[in-house]
Amino acid sequence: DTAVSQTPKYLVTQMGNDKSIKCEQNLGHDTMYWYKQDSKKFLKIMFSYNNKELIINETVPNRFSPKSPDKAHLNLHINSLELGDSAVYFCASSPSGGNTGELFFGEGSRLTVL
Amino acid sequence: QQQVKQSPQSLIVQKGGISIINCAYENTAFDYFPWYQQFPGKGPALLIAIRPDVSEKKEGRFTISFNKSAKQFSLHIMDSQPGDSATYFCAASRQYNAGNNRKLIWGLGTSLAVNP
Repeated sequence: DTAVSQTPKYLVTQMGNDKSIKCEQNLGHDTMYWYKQDSKKFLKIMFSYNNKELIINETVPNRFSPKSPDKAHLNLHINSLELGDSAVYFCASSPSGGNTGELFFGEGSRLTVL
Repeated sequence: QQQVKQSPQSLIVQKGGISIINCAYENTAFDYFPWYQQFPGKGPALLIAIRPDVSEKKEGRFTISFNKSAKQFSLHIMDSQPGDSATYFCAASRQYNAGNNRKLIWGLGTSLAVNP
């Protein structure tokens, strides 16, 4: 069973379109994240949710809107896609109440904006 | 501002050699230092981690050395194998606001290639 699963794995779209990426975790974790990894492999946190509540919102354009319908799901919707949005987006989860911050990542969703 | 500085950016090692990746941090509030390993097409996965109250942790061929006074830590991969070829990230974790939330600050990554 996949612990953190994301769909779709690949996404190719035109500039200006709107797209969504879905994430689900079956680990029973309370905290979920969205990360962006650019072509240089740099990992940048975008959002963090704890039990459906937004905890971290780094300086991300408001074209990006996360939604957490329950603590096992965290979706990412992107409006008016731009070329610079091309990247791999990773969903991750971690148990809150733990004192480490160990993250469990999905396999990523590669977004290509043409 | 890069709070966790990682070097080198890339590393090529011969099979059987020792791979060494270094990281330095500034914030003394960090209390957990993990290393993540990422293979192409996959998400990062926790490899090994250390707390600042110990100076070394070893798991198989992987060892973290930690120098609290220098605010530095490093990953050593002994007897490096082609299967170790991946991108390695160091990170540092601290409590984030009140409650049980934590924040992970990442290094920029090191691309390791182990030649057969």
